[in-house]
Amino acid sequence: QKEVEQNSGPLSVPEGAIASLNCTYSDRGSQSFFWYRQYSGKSPELIMFIYSNGDKEDGRFTAQLNKASQYVSLLIRDSQPSDSATYLCAVTDTGRRALTFGSGTRLQVQP
Amino acid sequence: DAGITQSPRHKVTETGTPVTLRCHQTENHRYMYWYRQDPGHGLRLIHYSYGVKDTDKGEVSDGYSVSRSKTEDFLLTLESATSSQTSVYFCAIEDTGELFFGEGSRLTVL
Repeated sequence: QKEVEQNSGPLSVPEGAIASLNCTYSDRGSQSFFWYRQYSGKSPELIMFIYSNGDKEDGRFTAQLNKASQYVSLLIRDSQPSDSATYLCAVTDTGRRALTFGSGTRLQVQP
Repeated sequence: DAGITQSPRHKVTETGTPVTLRCHQTENHRYMYWYRQDPGHGLRLIHYSYGVKDTDKGEVSDGYSVSRSKTEDFLLTLESATSSQTSVYFCAIEDTGELFFGEGSRLTVL
């Protein structure tokens, strides 16, 4: 069973701080990695993807990938109350063209 | 907007009744997916389709069937609903390697 593990949280950070969200995965063949944000009662929306080892930055968001350690992370700089949501990590399946999702980490940004 | 519409958005039904959820897309994407989302489990793949009449099972396919007779429509059927199938169901399409989701269908089986 391919697995994607995330700490369910909640992760609570003060406004303006850096939020660090982590994810590990079991399928060594996974090639692509995604972070989705999901507000309560809404559908997931893609915020970042990363394919290569290292860092990828997009505005306040940085995705980090370490394939040797099977580890993906998402950093959110200058966290805002509007960032309060559940963040889902997803990785590609090697056996089919689909994504396997983690159960998500709930982030709370305190004003 | 990925042009995905799910219907119905909310449904309450009784154990043992059949239920069909519909996913409609307007942009001719080849790959379509049905996921369910439950507390503590994240999104789990039920079935997916890679073309008209081409479908395959996901990790939680028991009790579900799908059909895709047209590119734009992907139907998920619960032949005989059970309380364990109470969930939020999301349809998704793939566009250049990324998944985009519909608004979800909340199903309650009493």
